[in-house]
Amino acid sequence: GPKVLQIPSHQIIDMGQMVTLNCDPVSNHLYFYWYKQILGQQMEFLVNFYNGKVMEKSKLFKDQFSVERPDGSYFTLKIQPTALEDSAVYFCASSLRSISNERLFFGHGTKLSVL
Amino acid sequence: GDSVTQTEGLVTLTEGLPVMLNCTYQSTYSPFLFWYVQHLNEAPKLLLKSFTDNKRPEHQGFHATLHKSSSSFHLQKSSAQLSDSALYYCASNNAGAKLTFGGGTRLTVRP
Repeated sequence: GPKVLQIPSHQIIDMGQMVTLNCDPVSNHLYFYWYKQILGQQMEFLVNFYNGKVMEKSKLFKDQFSVERPDGSYFTLKIQPTALEDSAVYFCASSLRSISNERLFFGHGTKLSVL
Repeated sequence: GDSVTQTEGLVTLTEGLPVMLNCTYQSTYSPFLFWYVQHLNEAPKLLLKSFTDNKRPEHQGFHATLHKSSSSFHLQKSSAQLSDSALYYCASNNAGAKLTFGGGTRLTVRP
């Protein structure tokens, strides 16, 4: 079935540095999402993105976070600068539509460790 | 805001026994409810979702009934299989495609 690919699977970085998490969404999907899961806690919505713009973001989406998808390439989440509390698994997802009963397709997640 | 509660973090049972994973939700509106499953080393994927016409969704032997009176969407299966061992997430959505997840329940099925 359709797959969402996330690169890398694990990223270790020093606090204060910049990190970019990459996501290759399902090819014909139009809506893209990032979710954050701190160890032992639930997945929480960060942001959704459509037509080159952020549609909605949560309070977890700090000013240090940004997303983009230049020219239909990877959908990226950039954190600059990183903080210790950014350590988590970040899941990318995509969907064809943005309606309440729409199915989201998730990637495996990128585990970010900020030292 | 919306919230989803899964009371059991870990469920262990023997193959062949029935499965029931609890899920309750709080929402100002009447949301759609979902169950996503994540097997080891795989991405979370949709298992089933509620319908607008109150039909009971079923997939791979699993089913769930949306009870608006009790704000619940418990996941059930009559007979557990070893391959059902996974992490199960209940989620709700009442606007757009932004999901609110529960904490997840790790199901382990033993021979």
